[in-house]
Amino acid sequence: DGGITQSPKYLFRKEGQNVTLSCEQNLNHDAMYWYRQDPGQGLRLIYYSQIVNDFQKGDIAEGYSVSREKKESFPLTVTSAQKNPTAFYLCASSTHMGPTNQPQHFGDGTRLSIL
Amino acid sequence: KQEVTQIPAALSVPEGENLVLNCSFTDSAIYNLQWFRQDPGKGLTSLLLIQSSQREQTSGRLNASLDKSSGRSTLYIAASQPGDSATYLCAVRYSGGYQKVTFGTGTKLQVIP
Repeated sequence: DGGITQSPKYLFRKEGQNVTLSCEQNLNHDAMYWYRQDPGQGLRLIYYSQIVNDFQKGDIAEGYSVSREKKESFPLTVTSAQKNPTAFYLCASSTHMGPTNQPQHFGDGTRLSIL
Repeated sequence: KQEVTQIPAALSVPEGENLVLNCSFTDSAIYNLQWFRQDPGKGLTSLLLIQSSQREQTSGRLNASLDKSSGRSTLYIAASQPGDSATYLCAVRYSGGYQKVTFGTGTKLQVIP
C-alpha cells in the first residue's frame, strides 16, 4: 500500500537538544510538506519541498530545519532554537505543487513533547 | 490576510440526522478547496476536493459545495453514523505566491448512537 510513514509516533525533547522527525513516502510524489498542529489552531506550514534538493520556508520556519536528499524522504529537525516545540507534527505529500487537482496525503503524525 | 474559518468548533447530533458543516474563506481567488477528516491522534484523510470551477463534489453520503462569490463551502453529511465522529477540516489553496494551503481550525463532530 502506498502512503506516508512518520516516525516516531511520540518523541520527547530535552532542553538544548535537537531532535529529528522522520517522514518517508512511497507515493512517488514530488512535493512534500511539514505542518505543525496546535490545539485550537489550524495547521501551519513549516517547510515545503517541490523537488529533490530544494526546499522553501513556510510560515513558521524559525527553529526548524529540513533536508530533501531523496525523493521519498523529508526529515524535519527541531532545533534548540525552537523554544515552544510541543505540538503535533504532520508530514504531507502531493504529486506536485501547482493549481491543478492534487490533493494532499498525510502521515499519522509525530507528537513532540518537552521533558 | 487570507483566513479560513469553521463554525461551530464542535457539534453533537443524534445518529441518523443529516448535518451541514461550514467553512468560510476571506479571498475568492482560490484554486481549490479540500475537506479532510481527522481522527484523534491521527493524520488527515482527504474526503473531497473541489476545484474553483466546480460547484460541488459528492462521495457516498458526503456532498461538498463551493460558492466563491460568498466565500463559503459546506460539507453535507447524510444519515450520520457514530463512525462519522471526528474533526472535519477545510483547507483552501489560494492563488498567488507559492499557492500554499490555508487550513481552518476544524469542527469536532460527535454522532450519538
